Parts: sequence; C-alpha cells; structure tokens
Amino acid sequence: DTAVSQTPKYLVTQMGNDKSIKCEQNLGHDTMYWYKQDSKKFLKIMFSYNNKELIINETVPNRFSPKSPDKAHLNLHINSLELGDSAVYFCASSTSGRGNTGELFFGEGSRLTVL
Amino acid sequence: AQSVTQLGSHVSVSEGALVLLRCNYSSSVPPYLFWYVQYPNQGLQLLLKYTSAATLVKGINGFEAEFKKSETSFHLTKPSAHMSDAAEYFCAVSDSGYSTLTFGKGTMLLVSP
Repeated sequence: DTAVSQTPKYLVTQMGNDKSIKCEQNLGHDTMYWYKQDSKKFLKIMFSYNNKELIINETVPNRFSPKSPDKAHLNLHINSLELGDSAVYFCASSTSGRGNTGELFFGEGSRLTVL
Repeated sequence: AQSVTQLGSHVSVSEGALVLLRCNYSSSVPPYLFWYVQYPNQGLQLLLKYTSAATLVKGINGFEAEFKKSETSFHLTKPSAHMSDAAEYFCAVSDSGYSTLTFGKGTMLLVSP
C-alpha cells in the first residue's frame, strides 16, 4: 500500500489551462503539505494544512488553490497555468503536536509541464 | 528561524570510496535533523534522522550521520560507495517539530566505476 499517493504522475498542458493534482495519505497523519521542486531541485513549501485548516501559505500566487476535503486528502488546483509553473509538485504528510519531529512522508511527485 | 547549508551542489566519488556529504544548520532551539535521498524521477525517502538521542545516527543503505552541536553540523557518510547510491541528497532541519522542515539545496552524488 502506498502511504502518500499523488495523481496524476505526469501532466502536460498548454499555457492558460487549469489543472488539478490530487493527494491522499493512509498514514493517519493530520498535517499535509504541497512542495514545489524546480529544475534546480530546490524544494520550496507552498501550503500546509492541519486537520483541513490552512496553516501555511508561502507567498504563492492566488492562481494556486489548495483544498482539503478531509485530513487524508489535499488537492492542488492551478488556474491559468504559466510557463514558470512547470515543476515537480510533491505532496507530503506528517504528524503534529507534542512529540512530533517534523519528519515528512512524501509522495512520488507530479511532474507538470506547461507548453 | 532555521536554515540549512549543504556544501557542494555535486560530489563525485569512485565506487568503493568514502562518501561525505556536508550539512551545516542554523536553529534557535535544539534541532531535529534529517537526510533524505531522491532517486531519479522519484519522491524523497528518509535516510536517517537525529531527534536528540544518540549523536551518531545510522540509517538505511549503510549511511550514517553525526550530530556535532559545537560545529552545527550533520554530515552524511558511507564507508564505501555503490553505483546505486547515485542520487540527490537533501539535508533538512526542524526546530522541535512544531515548524515545517527547511531543506537545503541538495547535493547530487555521482558515483563512477
């Protein structure tokens, strides 16, 4: 069983289109994240949700809208895609609260290519 | 605020040679430290973590790292490199687990025959 799963693994789309990436975790964690990895492999946090509540929003354009229907799911919708949005997007999850070390469990990534 | 510096964006070693990947951190409180590995076209996988127990931490695939508070370092080592170790390695820091992990910029390990 995959602990953190993302779909789709690859997206190729035209500029201006809208796309969504879905993420699900079966680890029982209460915190989920979206990270963006650029072409230089740099990992940058975009969003974090704890029990469906947004707790981190790191200066991401408002074309990016995360949605968490429940604590096991965190989806990412991107409107009006731009060339600079091309990247690998990683979903991750963790526990929270006392005793939490901050360890993240990552999905396999979703490679978005905007043409 | 916390930060991580990984020295060297690329490290090249020969198969069988010692692997040393450097990581220095900055944290205002005792940190938790992590090394993750990313193989091509895959997600990040935890190699090992330091969470204030033993300062020498052993991980998967023969890797280990030593937490040195006086040097604010958490360097990753492996006595003998294998071709299969070729990957991107990320050091990360969390201050007490209430904050999000901060990642270094990564070090690509290249292993030649």
